[in-house]
Amino acid sequence: DTAVSQTPKYLVTQMGNDKSIKCEQNLGHDTMYWYKQDSKKFLKIMFSYNNKELIINETVPNRFSPKSPDKAHLNLHINSLELGDSAVYFCASSSRGAVEQYFGPGTRLTVT
Amino acid sequence: AQSVTQPDIHITVSEGASLELRCNYSYGATPYLFWYVQSPGQGLQLLLKYFSGDTLVQGIKGFEAEFKRSQSSFNLRKPSVHWSDAAEYFCAVGARNAGNMLTFGGGTRLMVKP
Repeated sequence: DTAVSQTPKYLVTQMGNDKSIKCEQNLGHDTMYWYKQDSKKFLKIMFSYNNKELIINETVPNRFSPKSPDKAHLNLHINSLELGDSAVYFCASSSRGAVEQYFGPGTRLTVT
Repeated sequence: AQSVTQPDIHITVSEGASLELRCNYSYGATPYLFWYVQSPGQGLQLLLKYFSGDTLVQGIKGFEAEFKRSQSSFNLRKPSVHWSDAAEYFCAVGARNAGNMLTFGGGTRLMVKP
């Protein structure tokens, strides 16, 4: 009965590759998010998305793109991976109009 | 723009001792405030939240936090720490008019001595 799940848990890839991380929530929420946690544990919002609006943190490179096939899923696509993309990526979700968010277990991405 | 500061990067307490983790925020309106805990290799779990009303809020695992508007603070407390409380703690502020995004502090790593 996992609320927010992510796959894969670990992802190791080479520079220049394109990869995706999947996120699914079974909470019935309609807003989902992606956060990046760097090596110093600092968490930063990347995207906020619901079926009406995508809000992008202006510091996120356009190599990153969220794609939502339906309300329960928000996948993160990353093109032309760079060493600096190595981090833990967290997906989260919240109900309509709510600020309170529930997080997935994270995906540790390592770019070599 | 909103911001959150957690002044203490590391804190070590003895098991059974009391705990207070500091959090200061900057936000122009009434903030939505949260504390999350991250155990090693795990995701973030919501400990407690403040939206409005009573400024002392109770959370899970015996934690509480107090909102002090005059000090722009939302400190987390626990009267008696258990070894299992060792983790990274994050304070966060959110706003409905910013896509509901959360802004996190840098985190405080709590270590518990036996």
